Amino acid sequence: AQSVTQLDSHVSVSEGTPVLLRCNYSSSYSPSLFWYVQHPNKGLQLLLKYTSAATLVKGINGFEAEFKKSETSFHLTKPSAHMSDAAEYFCVVSAGGGNKLTFGTGTQLKVEL
Amino acid sequence: GAVVSQHPSWVICKSGTSVKIECRSLDFQATTMFWYRQFPKQSLMLMATSNEGSKATYEQGVEKDKFLINHASLTLSTLTVTSAHPEDSSFYICSARPPGGGRGRETQYFGPGTRLLVL
Repeated sequence: AQSVTQLDSHVSVSEGTPVLLRCNYSSSYSPSLFWYVQHPNKGLQLLLKYTSAATLVKGINGFEAEFKKSETSFHLTKPSAHMSDAAEYFCVVSAGGGNKLTFGTGTQLKVEL
Repeated sequence: GAVVSQHPSWVICKSGTSVKIECRSLDFQATTMFWYRQFPKQSLMLMATSNEGSKATYEQGVEKDKFLINHASLTLSTLTVTSAHPEDSSFYICSARPPGGGRGRETQYFGPGTRLLVL
């Protein structure tokens, strides 16, 4: 069984300040982990993925995430938020070689001037 | 690369009619496609897994006769909502998974979604 918990349903930051979106996972197998972003009324865009290579993963638009097995975490960070980063972010886990992705409940990121 | 399109982007239909949604992988072949449903301000719910050349696998609680899935080719899967009712109104999103093995093969690329409103 696998699951993912996004610890914050809403995060609000000022433009130019760091972003931290938290995600914890549970998996019986070595997981693959993903972060997707969804802008309003749009599909999901892959930000980055971890697949057992380097634990610090760099993605698009300046985002990165670090896989920490001891903490079962895969938090998403960005040094400096931009207005265009305002969106819904989903942490996703896949494990056991199966087809299915398990989605977190999402974190709504708000970026203020 | 890895672009997935959906058509239409939104549709309004009368109760009792059927609606077909297309999902295409534009620059890769996808032996497996997925159909999700998303309610407002909620996460994605997997409805079914579509495999080219075979019957779709539906998640528990999803009516296969209500939501007909056809994976006609390696680049096209369709979802038909039959005899639509207002409670079928939702945002439907498809995804496609490129072929190949190894870690990371679970990566899915998502279409832009189709918003269905049943009156």
